[in-house]
Amino acid sequence: RKEVEQDPGPFNVPEGATVAFNCTYSNSASQSFFWYRQDCRKEPKLLMSVYSSGNEDGRFTAQLNRASQYISLLIRDSKLSDSATYLCVARGTDKLIFGTGTRLQVFP
Amino acid sequence: DVKVTQSSRYLVKRTGEKVFLECVQDMDHENMFWYRQDPGLGLRLIYFSYDVKMKEKGDIPEGYSVSREKKERFSLILESASTNQTSMYLCASTPGGYGYGYTFGSGTRLTVV
Repeated sequence: RKEVEQDPGPFNVPEGATVAFNCTYSNSASQSFFWYRQDCRKEPKLLMSVYSSGNEDGRFTAQLNRASQYISLLIRDSKLSDSATYLCVARGTDKLIFGTGTRLQVFP
Repeated sequence: DVKVTQSSRYLVKRTGEKVFLECVQDMDHENMFWYRQDPGLGLRLIYFSYDVKMKEKGDIPEGYSVSREKKERFSLILESASTNQTSMYLCASTPGGYGYGYTFGSGTRLTVV
């Protein structure tokens, strides 16, 4: 079983749609969590941290459910520029563990 | 902003060559990492370092070595390049501590022919 698992997608959504990604992590002792965004042939970039209380940054909302060991990312009012791969990340014992990513394609 | 700079964006090398990939960060970060990324496999950790002259094996260290002589510089070495090392190589750094994510360099796309 992978330590961080994500649905690879692709998720194909129209502009303006709301889309949600989930991921699960296996290490119950993980203490910090992140979402990264990666554009095609570019490096991953930190999108946002994820807190138990949930956090919001504009159209993006991240949630953590420790009991079920899953993390979610909600994108509201999708834009064409949101098309990318979204990586779910959990901290392992001494380093970050990256999921393989969920691909999002927003179409006009 | 933290900057992580990788020396080459694209590199083509011949089988058997010794290859050096350089990474420099400018924010005095303690921890540095080398990953490779291949389609369908995601990011795979090769080596990491928590301090100068210190190194730890990641998940796929075979065929690679690293050097960290100065805090800001972390080099990845392919001792004898092979075609199965054709990949995107990404360097990352972080100050350490639970709350910090990693900052990645822009990557080196290495092709071994």
